[in-house]
Amino acid sequence: GENVEQHPSTLSVQEGDSAVIKCTYSDSASNYFPWYKQELGKRPQLIIDIRSNVGEKKDQRIAVTLNKTAKHFSLHITETQPEDSAVYFCAASTPSGAGGTSYGKLTFGQGTILTVHP
Amino acid sequence: NAGVTQTPKFRILKIGQSMTLQCTQDMNHNYMYWYRQDPGMGLKLIYYSVGAGITDKGEVPNGYNVSRSTTEDFPLRLELAAPSQTSVYFCASRTVMNTEAFFGQGTRLTVV
Repeated sequence: GENVEQHPSTLSVQEGDSAVIKCTYSDSASNYFPWYKQELGKRPQLIIDIRSNVGEKKDQRIAVTLNKTAKHFSLHITETQPEDSAVYFCAASTPSGAGGTSYGKLTFGQGTILTVHP
Repeated sequence: NAGVTQTPKFRILKIGQSMTLQCTQDMNHNYMYWYRQDPGMGLKLIYYSVGAGITDKGEVPNGYNVSRSTTEDFPLRLELAAPSQTSVYFCASRTVMNTEAFFGQGTRLTVV
């Protein structure tokens, strides 16, 4: 089945710096890659997503890049602010896996704790 | 517009007890998921469903069961609760594969 690895597990930056979080996936059939932000005690919420037919997507200070050949994708946050402090999760969505298994599965990475210091 | 609703929000179980975590969504979503999140850890998939009557195992299904008799509801059953099942449980749903998944507010379960 799909396996998603996320790095780093913790990331500490100064306000105004950029932050980059990287994920790799194992199933080449995966074709949708969302990123979620989870504030303390809250539910995860989508911040940006990318589909496999697109190499890059940007939304204000947030961007995601995808390299299908290498099976990795990254989240870039520019001009970080203290309110960006949270846990960030990447995920991969699998339409089908080997032998037709994993259809519809949504697999998450381990998460990155981002701390932005004022 | 309720979205994904989970009940209860909190629960303490004794070892060996059983319970059902309820999840319902009012968005007519086909795909539904159960995840557990241990303290400081990521989201691990327990079970998922791509439509009524269809369920499949995720990464950590042992000790759990699910059913999907309607599009709206996807209950998670814990039989013979163990301390290792202490966790926060999230239910999520989405309409089709390559779209946003919406999460419920979570159920914090403690097994003592």
